[in-house]
Amino acid sequence: GEDVEQSLFLSVREGDSSVINCTYTDSSSTYLYWYKQEPGAGLQLLTYIFSNMDMKQDQRLTVLLNKKDKHLSLRIADTQTGDSAIYFCAESSPSNTGKLIFGQGTTLQVKP
Amino acid sequence: GAVVSQHPSWVICKSGTSVKIECRSLDFQATTMFWYRQFPKQSLMLMATSNEGSKATYEQGVEKDKFLINHASLTLSTLTVTSAHPEDSSFYICSATPSSAATDTQYFGPGTRLTVL
Repeated sequence: GEDVEQSLFLSVREGDSSVINCTYTDSSSTYLYWYKQEPGAGLQLLTYIFSNMDMKQDQRLTVLLNKKDKHLSLRIADTQTGDSAIYFCAESSPSNTGKLIFGQGTTLQVKP
Repeated sequence: GAVVSQHPSWVICKSGTSVKIECRSLDFQATTMFWYRQFPKQSLMLMATSNEGSKATYEQGVEKDKFLINHASLTLSTLTVTSAHPEDSSFYICSATPSSAATDTQYFGPGTRLTVL
C-alpha cells in the first residue's frame, strides 16, 4: 500500500544545516512534495520535485531524490529560528485522484 | 499567487449545533478541493475530495451525512459539521488544486479550529 515515513523530530543549532528525511513506498508517484506547518497554521508549500529528477535547489532549500531507494530528503542551509516548524513530505497518489499521501511530519527545533 | 482562505479561523459551538466552514481559492479556480482533519501533533487525515458540480468523495470511515460538503463554484467549497459533538473538535484544513495545474500540487488554507462544548 501507499505509505510515507518520516522521523518525528530533529534538533539543530542556528546556522547549521538541517536534513529531513522521508521514505515512500509507491514508485509510480509522479511528484513529491515538501510542506511546512507553523503552529496553528495551514501547510505552506515549500517545494516539489518531479520523479525523474535527482535534485532540485531553491535558495536555502535542496531536495534530493533517490528513486531507487525511494528516499527523499530536504536540506535547509543556514537554518534559522524561523525555520522551526513541522515539515511534511508527501507523494502524489498513483490513483490519479489528485490526492496526496502525507508522512507523519518532522518537527524541526532550531536552537539559538 | 495560489492563495486559499478559510472562514472562520476558529469557532466555538454548543453540542448539537451545526457549523459551516468555508474554503475559498482567492486567485485561481479549483475544480478539486480537499478537506482534512488534524489532531494535535499528528499528520493530516484526508476526509473527502470535493469536486465542483458533483458529489464529494469521502474517505473510508468518514460519515458523509455528518460532514456535508458542497462545492458550488470553482472558488468555493463548504464543509458543514452537522450535530457537532465534542469528539468533532479538531483543526480542519482545506486545500485546493488549480484547475490549470499540471501537477497535483495542493495549496492549503490556514485552517479552522473547531471547539464543541
